Amino acid sequence: SAVISQKPSRDICQRGTSLTIQCQVDSQVTMMFWYRQQPGQSLTLIATANQGSEATYESGFVIDKFPISRPNLTFSTLTVSNMSPEDSSIYLCSVVFQLYSYEQYFGPGTRLTVT
Amino acid sequence: AQKVTQAQTEISVVEKEDVTLDCVYETRDTTYYLFWYKQPPSGELVFLIRRNSFDEQNEISGRYSWNFQKSTSSFNFTITASQVVDSAVYFCALSEPGTASKLTFGTGTRLQVTL
Repeated sequence: SAVISQKPSRDICQRGTSLTIQCQVDSQVTMMFWYRQQPGQSLTLIATANQGSEATYESGFVIDKFPISRPNLTFSTLTVSNMSPEDSSIYLCSVVFQLYSYEQYFGPGTRLTVT
Repeated sequence: AQKVTQAQTEISVVEKEDVTLDCVYETRDTTYYLFWYKQPPSGELVFLIRRNSFDEQNEISGRYSWNFQKSTSSFNFTITASQVVDSAVYFCALSEPGTASKLTFGTGTRLQVTL
C-alpha cells in the first residue's frame, strides 16, 4: 500500500511567522486535500490542492493565509502564514488514488503549536 | 447543507464487550458516500470503510460491522468483543458525489476500552 508522509511531524512556532508543511506520496494520486483539526475537534477541509493551478478554498479559508502548492501528482505544500495561537492545530493532507473510489487516505498529520 | 451527527461524545467499555457507535447524517443528495475513520492516540486517521448510498447491505469485517439504514439516515458501527487496541476516536464522514471532495466529518466518538 502507498505511503503518505508529512514534514514536519510537529513544530512549535512564534506568532507572526510562517510554516510550510509538506505532503509526499510514494505513488501518483488524483486528488489531494488539506484539513485542519483544532484541539479536541473534528476535521475541517481547508482546500483542494490542484495540480498546476490555484487551490480551491473552502469558506472561511483564504489563499493569503493558507497558500497551497501542488507542482506534481505526488507532492503538495501548505503554508500557514502570519501565525497566531488560534492556528495551533493538527494539519493533515489526504489523497484520493482512484478518482471514482471516493476513498480519502490521510497522512500522519503535522501538529503545530503557536506561542 | 450536509451534516453528520455523532451524538456519543465518549463511550467506555470493558474488554470483550460489544459496542455500537452511532452516526446520523443529513444530505439533499440522492447519491452520496459514507465513511468511518479511526484516529488512535498516535493521531493518524485510518480508513475503515466506504459505503455508497445505493448499497444498503450491511458489511462485516472481522470484529467490525456496519449497519446502513437509508430510511433513518444512519450508518452505525459495531465492534464485537472489543479490545484495548480499539481505543481511539472514531469519525463518521459524508462526501458529495462527483469529485470526491468535501468530506464532512462528524465530531467523533472517543471509545475507551479497559481491561
